[in-house]
Amino acid sequence: AQTVTQSQPEMSVQEAETVTLSCTYDTSESDYYLFWYKQPPSRQMILVIRQEAYKQQNATENRFSVNFQKAAKSFSLKISDSQLGDAAMYFCAYRRGIQGAQKLVFGQGTRLTINP
Amino acid sequence: NAGVMQNPRHLVRRRGQEARLRCSPMKGHSHVYWYRQLPEEGLKFMVYLQKENIIDESGMPKERFSAEFPKEGPSILRIQQVVRGDSAAYFCASQTGTGGHYEQYFGPGTRLTVT
Repeated sequence: AQTVTQSQPEMSVQEAETVTLSCTYDTSESDYYLFWYKQPPSRQMILVIRQEAYKQQNATENRFSVNFQKAAKSFSLKISDSQLGDAAMYFCAYRRGIQGAQKLVFGQGTRLTINP
Repeated sequence: NAGVMQNPRHLVRRRGQEARLRCSPMKGHSHVYWYRQLPEEGLKFMVYLQKENIIDESGMPKERFSAEFPKEGPSILRIQQVVRGDSAAYFCASQTGTGGHYEQYFGPGTRLTVT
């Protein structure tokens, strides 16, 4: 079974600085997707960024980028120019690529605090 | 286009009562997932349904929990004889097709409290 591990229960960063959240995963498959979700206090799950395993290029979305190391099974999220609105729980998630097995497997989460 | 709707947003039940959680997927979406989030934990998969079919229920507890997604109407997650350990946030997500490249869109969740 696939597992996702986030080893940092909490992280904090000064506003406008850069922070990196870590995620590792375990799988024997070659076709899969990786995601970072943000969960603010409202509890709404918001997709931040996704990465297809077959793509070598790291995904980026504005201030958010990932460092995808397929051989090391590592998928970290970098947030640049941190803003107060970035404060939230962040979850890394894995999903198999084949049809019929599409549940998301989540890590335990990292609580990110932004210091003004 | 309305997003995924869940109701109620908050539900309080006494031990032994039944809880019914509803999920209306986005328009055109025929695939629904249910996840449970215990306090201070990540989301855990429970069940995956397509219209009138349960595709994967490997995350569902064996007893007291059931789910359906009828041809018409919302998907329902039903918990019979609730216990304190069922207190959690329950999220549903919908997607339009089958395949790992389709995005799952999450509803706002239902927070169940068992007293």
